[in-house]
Parts: sequence; C-alpha cells; structure tokens
Amino acid sequence: ETAVFQTPNYHVTQVGNEVSFNCKQTLGHDTMYWYKQDSKKLLKIMFSYNNKQLIVNETVPRRFSPQSSDKAHLNLRIKSVEPEDSAVYLCASSSGEVFFGKGTRLTVV
Amino acid sequence: GDQVEQSPSALSLHEGTGSALRCNFTTTMRAVQWFRKNSRGSLINLFYLASGTKENGRLKSAFDSKERYSTLHIRDAQLEDSGTYFCAAEDHNRIFFGDGTQLVVKP
Repeated sequence: ETAVFQTPNYHVTQVGNEVSFNCKQTLGHDTMYWYKQDSKKLLKIMFSYNNKQLIVNETVPRRFSPQSSDKAHLNLRIKSVEPEDSAVYLCASSSGEVFFGKGTRLTVV
Repeated sequence: GDQVEQSPSALSLHEGTGSALRCNFTTTMRAVQWFRKNSRGSLINLFYLASGTKENGRLKSAFDSKERYSTLHIRDAQLEDSGTYFCAAEDHNRIFFGDGTQLVVKP
C-alpha cells in the first residue's frame, strides 16, 4: 500500500522551463529524500531533509532545490531544466526502513 | 555508489535453483535494506536489517555490520523472481545504494 505520494507521474517540458514535483508521506517519518534514477537505472541521492534541515546535499546542480513546508512534504523544484535532467525522480521517507514513492518521470525536450 | 559494492551485476538462474547476492561496504553501516524493482518501476521493500538474519519465504538476508557486508539468498527461484535487486546501506543520515543485480530466472 502506497504511503509516499508523488505527483505528477509524468511531465514533459522544454529546456529552460521551471518544474516542481510534489511529495507527501503519511508515515510520520522524520526524514525524506529525493533520488534521481539515471539512464542506467542507478539511484543517486540528491537531497535528504530531516525536520526541515537539509542534512545531505549530494553535489547537484544549483538549479535543483528541495522545498519543505512540514516534515510530511518535500517538493523538488528545478529552476531551468536541462536535457540531462530527463530522468525518473523518486521521493522517499524513512525512520529506519525506507519507503519510496512511485516516481515522477521527467522528459525535457 | 562508491560506498557500496554489489555483486554480481547480473545473474541467470534456472527455475528451482538458488544463489546469493552480496553487498560489501567500505565503511561501517548502521542498517541495510534490500529492494526488488518491479515491472512498473517501483521499489518493493524486501528486508530491513540492523543486524543478524531475516527470512521470508524463499528469501533470506543477512547483515554483518562489523564485517561490512550483507547478503540476499534466493532459493527455489521462480520466474516471477526476475527483476533488479538493490541493496541500500544506511549510516547515520545517508543511504547508499548498490548498483543493482539483474536477475533472470529461466524455465
């Protein structure tokens, strides 16, 4: 049963546009994450948020920024998308065991 | 990732046979989790271990923090077990994923 909800499922946009992906978890976890799945289907951590504090920022381009209103929400904003940003982005939450959302597939044309 | 070395990268099994996947860690990890990626691309939680072993049906996992490794054993493999399996190791605040093992189970 899904407890980490991501929207949208898919998004197609042009180079230079701004996009925002939403993520909500209903598990009461303190930590949320954003991952990028690359073309080789490898998961790379992008951001980790714990009680509104960014505790990990794995060298991502500055056009990416996490946005959190409370510990149940962690959105991902991309200020000006580039072709190489095309990927699946996964949101997750954890209080030990990690639970993933179903992902958002971004296509930049 | 650099902190986690997963092997093998690909594995082919005949139905009814078994094998083991392994993740080695470069540093001491607090816990490990194993996932299987399903046909829709979602990650399915298989095991979460902070120590010792856990078993669920035909799957069994072990984690040794001191020796810096974890294993996932599959026995009596079935066709539906095919997919990509990932380990993810956790230190205090970060999660490091292995590169995955693509398992193909053949009739």
